[in-house]
Amino acid sequence: DGGITQSPKYLFRKEGQNVTLSCEQNLNHDAMYWYRQDPGQGLRLIYYSQIVNDFQKGDIAEGYSVSREKKESFPLTVTSAQKNPTAFYLCASSEPSGVYHNEQFFGPGTRLTVL
Amino acid sequence: AQRVTQPEKLLSVFKGAPVELKCNYSYSGSPELFWYVQYSRQRLQLLLRHISRESIKGFTADLNKGETSFHLKKPFAQEEDSAMYYCALENAGNMLTFGGGTRLMVKP
Repeated sequence: DGGITQSPKYLFRKEGQNVTLSCEQNLNHDAMYWYRQDPGQGLRLIYYSQIVNDFQKGDIAEGYSVSREKKESFPLTVTSAQKNPTAFYLCASSEPSGVYHNEQFFGPGTRLTVL
Repeated sequence: AQRVTQPEKLLSVFKGAPVELKCNYSYSGSPELFWYVQYSRQRLQLLLRHISRESIKGFTADLNKGETSFHLKKPFAQEEDSAMYYCALENAGNMLTFGGGTRLMVKP
């Protein structure tokens, strides 16, 4: 079940620490996304990148940062500025082709818990 | 601003009963809508998309622009349909806005 991998599966962080969540894809997709999933709130977009070396803020970018140095990798850093970081984080990728309604493919997720 | 609303957090039905998961949206443009599903211990995955007008695993969804709805329906629910279902709206930039999700439980 390859395609998109996320690591680690579970992550524990002390308050005040930054942590980085990994997301790698071998689908050769240009676009990658990070979502946060909270019960009852669905998925909310944190950051997205449509091409290497470029990314944009989503709806809830405060307290997060990303980089896109390689097409296959889109790591997310949860900084100490994120006030409520405990959540399930999902990474996705897609291949925009100029005609939208493209399927997004999701990773297995990382559950972050702040102690 | 675009918005997707799934009014039911939990929907419980018996096996063989019809099921309808509601989805309402607000969007100023021409909507492109999807249903994604997450089965237990599996990844979130696409179930069906409005543009394809397809039936997947017996599920269908019709876009009603007058009522701004995209409800997911199945005439006879199966136990294996138990999952978390998300309605999603795509904007012109390939961005998805998700609803809050509905957990479907199909009882034997």
